[in-house]
Amino acid sequence: GAGVSQSPSNKVTEKGKDVELRCDPISGHTALYWYRQSLGQGLEFLIYFQGNSAPDKSGLPSDRFSAERTGGSVSTLTIQRTQQEDSAVYLCASSSRLAGGPGNIQYFGAGTRLSVL
Amino acid sequence: AQRVTQPEKLLSVFKGAPVELKCNYSYSGSPELFWYVQYSRQRLQLLLRHISRESIKGFTADLNKGETSFHLKKPFAQEEDSAMYYCALSGHTGGFKTIFGAGTRLFVKA
Repeated sequence: GAGVSQSPSNKVTEKGKDVELRCDPISGHTALYWYRQSLGQGLEFLIYFQGNSAPDKSGLPSDRFSAERTGGSVSTLTIQRTQQEDSAVYLCASSSRLAGGPGNIQYFGAGTRLSVL
Repeated sequence: AQRVTQPEKLLSVFKGAPVELKCNYSYSGSPELFWYVQYSRQRLQLLLRHISRESIKGFTADLNKGETSFHLKKPFAQEEDSAMYYCALSGHTGGFKTIFGAGTRLFVKA
């Protein structure tokens, strides 16, 4: 596709359930990021994948959160035993690594709005 | 440590007034600086980057290495400029990981 695609666009779940959020980055982009955006708040970094390097997980808020990126392309963010405070918009972004050129610009998906009841 | 600071969480100006959204950074080396914007019900998107030295929608931003700042400016704000603005940096030191500031919400009043 032409842009970053995220699915589902909306997810309503019950407290305690597990959820999986999917991100399809732009083809060829080596870097992939997950962020969380709570209502009226800024971006909260969650995790960063760059090529075949070990992911930077420093932003994951708890061990209930995990993410993987298969084959250097599609990524899945998993939240186990969801809590009400997990309710937010989860954004994915991808970029090519090249600094200074047309790369290194982040392209964002439309996000997944997660509501935990 | 790499850090981006946007000191204003909210900025409110009248239409036609000048606007300046502040951004300061901390970085070891030569970073690449960006401004991203999120309009209501739209995706977060790039507004401008310092290496392009261009004006987008009337906005400009100059990298001041001495003051480690990258403030976003527009001489005459328009109502359609109301949005959330994020300053960001990236560079070799951080493995090209992009660091975002907390964002500034701009309201332009009629």
